[in-house]
Amino acid sequence: EIQLVESGGGLVQPGGSLRLSCAASGFTFSDYWMYWVRQAPGKGLEWVASIKTDGSEKYYVGSLKGRFTISRDNAENSLHLQMNSLRAEDSAVYYCARDTTGGWSLAYWGQGTLVTVSS
Amino acid sequence: QSALTQPRSVSGSPGQSVTISCTGTNSDVGAYNYVSWYQQHPGKAPKLMISDVSKRPSGVPDRFSGSKSGNTASLTISGLQAEDEAEYHCFSYAGRYTHWVFGGGTKLTVL
Repeated sequence: EIQLVESGGGLVQPGGSLRLSCAASGFTFSDYWMYWVRQAPGKGLEWVASIKTDGSEKYYVGSLKGRFTISRDNAENSLHLQMNSLRAEDSAVYYCARDTTGGWSLAYWGQGTLVTVSS
Repeated sequence: QSALTQPRSVSGSPGQSVTISCTGTNSDVGAYNYVSWYQQHPGKAPKLMISDVSKRPSGVPDRFSGSKSGNTASLTISGLQAEDEAEYHCFSYAGRYTHWVFGGGTKLTVL
């Protein structure tokens, strides 16, 4: 069974940092692009970042302006999102997701981890 | 403002058909056949319903279908059932500069 389990969310003050993790199982992790997608309370989904199978390509939504870094550890079957200089507008549920085979769709999703940025 | 435009809400009665549109530009929806659709029930993670404009993953009922014309993609749900009531989101690859974009989401109400 394919599973994606996020962790690392919580309450953080504006300007602070958090590192989200996503533990993957049930598939060959190194074969798939991985994504982070977020959803602010009552809002739609927003693509945040993507990383290629071997980590050689990383892409981010333009509004982040370099504050977030996506990474992966294929030996540990894990995906990470380092979030710095957090702002109130970064408050959201953060989902990790796995690509489909040979396409740009999000075939499997984790349950999400909530990040709240507030003083 | 979301990059892809979806109606905020649609509704239909059980057994009827509804279509949800997703309008982009010739840099995203119109340029690539990489539009996908996701169903999301309250408090749950999204679920892939349609990939690559019109491909239905295993386990998704054939009541769900996708299509595209120009810069607009569409999700059609036929034979509406109560459990189809959910939020639906479109997603498209958008090329080397924007990369990927979502629509704003559409709330489907089954009357």
